[in-house]
Amino acid sequence: DQQVKQNSPSLSVQEGRISILNCDYTNSMFDYFLWYKKYPAEGPTFLISISSIKDKNEDGRFTVFLNKSAKHLSLHIVPSQPGDSAVYFCAARTYGSSNTGKLIFGQGTTLQVKP
Amino acid sequence: DADVTQTPRNRITKTGKRIMLECSQTKGHDRMYWYRQDPGLGLRLIYYSFDVKDINKGEISDGYSVSRQAQAKFSLSLESAIPNQTALYFCATSDPGSSQPQHFGDGTRLSIL
Repeated sequence: DQQVKQNSPSLSVQEGRISILNCDYTNSMFDYFLWYKKYPAEGPTFLISISSIKDKNEDGRFTVFLNKSAKHLSLHIVPSQPGDSAVYFCAARTYGSSNTGKLIFGQGTTLQVKP
Repeated sequence: DADVTQTPRNRITKTGKRIMLECSQTKGHDRMYWYRQDPGLGLRLIYYSFDVKDINKGEISDGYSVSRQAQAKFSLSLESAIPNQTALYFCATSDPGSSQPQHFGDGTRLSIL
């Protein structure tokens, strides 16, 4: 049972344009969501997060949107840069796991930004 | 130098062998984690430790054990390796006050034949 799904395995975008990475979830008990970026042969890097009490969080070129009614979140990267090419994981935490570090990860989406 | 260092980076071994994966960090963080990544499944939590005397099982702890030798060191052991433990393993730490992993090592690719 995949509680966090990233249905697009890959995405290709032109440099300077917007990249939109999507993530759907099924568990209504999730209260916190995170995005990680991973380059080949490196560990994931925490990128941005959002609490379920918000619908938007912005950090520079990165914005995460949360639509709780649709159980959907998205990561927008504007403008996209070649250095953004990586695998992006979304992850979710349940309220009961707030002190455990237990996250449910999606499968990841590989973003390619073409110069 | 990396803040979170994992050794070895790659390991091939045989079924039934005992394996230890090591993790050390220079960030001074109390909270450390071990995850595994399998193709198509994202990352899953194996064990976590919030300080030297605190060890907790994660989502998939069966077949694994850990040791927190010091604040900076957190080792993962496979007592008797089996092929379905072939995966990419990550150690991570989190900033004070956070219980979400934020700083990952570069991973150990483990293959069990």
